[in-house]
Amino acid sequence: SQTIHQWPATLVQPVGSPLSLECTVEGTSNPNLYWYRQAAGRGLQLLFYSVGIGQISSEVPQNLSASRPQDRQFILSSKKLLLSDSGFYLCAWSPRTGTSYEQYFGPGTRLTVT
Amino acid sequence: EDQVTQSPEALRLQEGESSSLNCSYTVSGLRGLFWYRQDPGKGPEFLFTLYSAGEEKEKERLKATLTKKESFLHITAPKPEDSATYLCAADNYGQNFVFGPGTRLSVLP
Repeated sequence: SQTIHQWPATLVQPVGSPLSLECTVEGTSNPNLYWYRQAAGRGLQLLFYSVGIGQISSEVPQNLSASRPQDRQFILSSKKLLLSDSGFYLCAWSPRTGTSYEQYFGPGTRLTVT
Repeated sequence: EDQVTQSPEALRLQEGESSSLNCSYTVSGLRGLFWYRQDPGKGPEFLFTLYSAGEEKEKERLKATLTKKESFLHITAPKPEDSATYLCAADNYGQNFVFGPGTRLSVLP
């Protein structure tokens, strides 16, 4: 069966500090990968998605970036955090092939920028 | 612009009191409509996929239905453990889902 991991689970960082959140998927190959942000009481906002190693598409302009150094690893980064970067960050995967399109989410990382 | 709305924003039920949650979607094309359950501080958990109008899916006390403009999540005789936020999302043949804001369900014992 497939499993998706995210770490850390919680993070408190000062404004201007760097960020690195990691997501890994087990039990599948060539997945599509996604980073979402969920603000309190609001829906999920897609930040980045990737259909393969080194292939990253950005949905919204921001001071965040994403990388996919390995097939099942997705990293969200920032060089300098802003207060507005606080939120709940979710990684998700979906099958690249087949007739199934649902996305499966990881446990999330709660980021607080102080 | 593709959009998904959900109503009500919050719903409080007594244990055993059945009800329905609504998800309305406006998308250029629908490949699939998805329902998720999200507990506080956790990632969304996949529940159902619906692909065409008239389709129904069931899981325990939950039943999801789909029309050309809406989807409903029916909760029959809910229990306190059904308390969560329920999210719906539309796949518009793009690379991403369009998520609704969710309905926060509380089931009181």
